[in-house]
This record gives sequence, structure tokens and C-alpha cells, in this order.
Amino acid sequence: SQTIHQWPATLVQPVGSPLSLECTVEGTSNPNLYWYRQAAGRGLQLLFYSVGIGQISSEVPQNLSASRPQDRQFILSSKKLLLSDSGFYLCAWTGQGSSGNTIYFGEGSWLTVV
Amino acid sequence: DAKTTQPNSMESNEEEPVHLPCNHSTISGTDYIHWYRQLPSQGPEYVIHGLTSNVNNRMASLAIAEDRKSSTLILHRATLRDAAVYYCILSPRGSNYKLTFGKGTLLTVNP
Repeated sequence: SQTIHQWPATLVQPVGSPLSLECTVEGTSNPNLYWYRQAAGRGLQLLFYSVGIGQISSEVPQNLSASRPQDRQFILSSKKLLLSDSGFYLCAWTGQGSSGNTIYFGEGSWLTVV
Repeated sequence: DAKTTQPNSMESNEEEPVHLPCNHSTISGTDYIHWYRQLPSQGPEYVIHGLTSNVNNRMASLAIAEDRKSSTLILHRATLRDAAVYYCILSPRGSNYKLTFGKGTLLTVNP
């Protein structure tokens, strides 16, 4: 069966510090991968999506970046965090099936920038 | 992207049916209608999806309008555990696309 994991689950980082959130998917190949952010009390905002290794599409201009060094690995990074980067970050994947591609989400990572 | 429109919030009483509406007037022929729900402090989870015909599963039912421009998620007997934000999204068949969520509907279930 397919599984998705992301870590760390919670982190508190000072303004200006770097960030690295990692996500891995098991049990499938060539998934579409996504990073979403949810600010407190807000909806899901799509940040990045990837349809293959090294292929990253950015939806929102910001100080975050994403990379996909391996087929089932997706990394969200920042060189210098801002207060506004605080939120709940979710990694997700979809397969290549014919039924409209159900989205599977990870457990989420809570980021507080102080 | 095809867009969806949902009410910001709805309220229900426990053990009563709940009908959550979604408008998607710009839906294309290859778009599936998906519903997800998000419990507090968790990632969204899949509820149900359909293309043209009504669908039932253990969690809910999905009623799709004949012109496919709207749909309704039906929870037959709401429980307190159904209190969540419900998202309706359009998911095109195939690959190489982005999936975007609206604000969803916050469902409150009263005991």
C-alpha cells in the first residue's frame, strides 16, 4: 500500500533562519507531488507541484523553494524565514489512475517563525 | 483552473442529514468532482468522488446535477466527528496538472 510521510512534525524557527521540510512517498512510482500551506484559520494554498524529478512549478512567488531530487522525495526549503512563513505545511501526492487522481496528504508540519 | 463555490459555513444537528452544496459551473467534460474533509490539525482526507452518476460509499453520498454544474455531498446522519471543513474540488483525468482548494465549508454539528 502507498504511504506518505513528512517531517519534522513541529518546528520553531527564528526569523532569518533556514528551513527544510522533507516528504517521501512509498509504494508508488512517478507520483505528482505537492506542497500546500495553511495559515491559521485559512484555506489550503498550493505552493509547489511537481510532475517528475527536477520538474517544479511554483504557484506563489515567495522566499520558499522546492526540489525533487528523487522520484518519491519532495523537499521544501527556505534560506531565510519570515514571520509570514508560519503555518501548517502539507505534502501530498496523486497517482496516475483514471479516476480523477485522488489526493493523499501527509500528516503535516507545523512551522512557527519567531 | 476550474473553480468551485461553496458556502463558508453550515450548521447541523447530530443524527440529522446534512447536504453540503458545491457549484462548479465551468466544469469540463473530463473533470471529476472530489470531496475532501479536514479535521482540526490534520491534513485533508478523501471522502468521495464522481464523474456523472450519483455515488455512495460508507462515508457519504454524492449527488451530481444532470448538467454537472453543481453537486451535493450528503452525510446521512451527522455525528460530532463529522465536524470539519469540507472541500469540493475538480480533478481532471490524467497527469500534469495542479490541484487547488477553495476555502471549503466549515460544518458545525450540534449535539
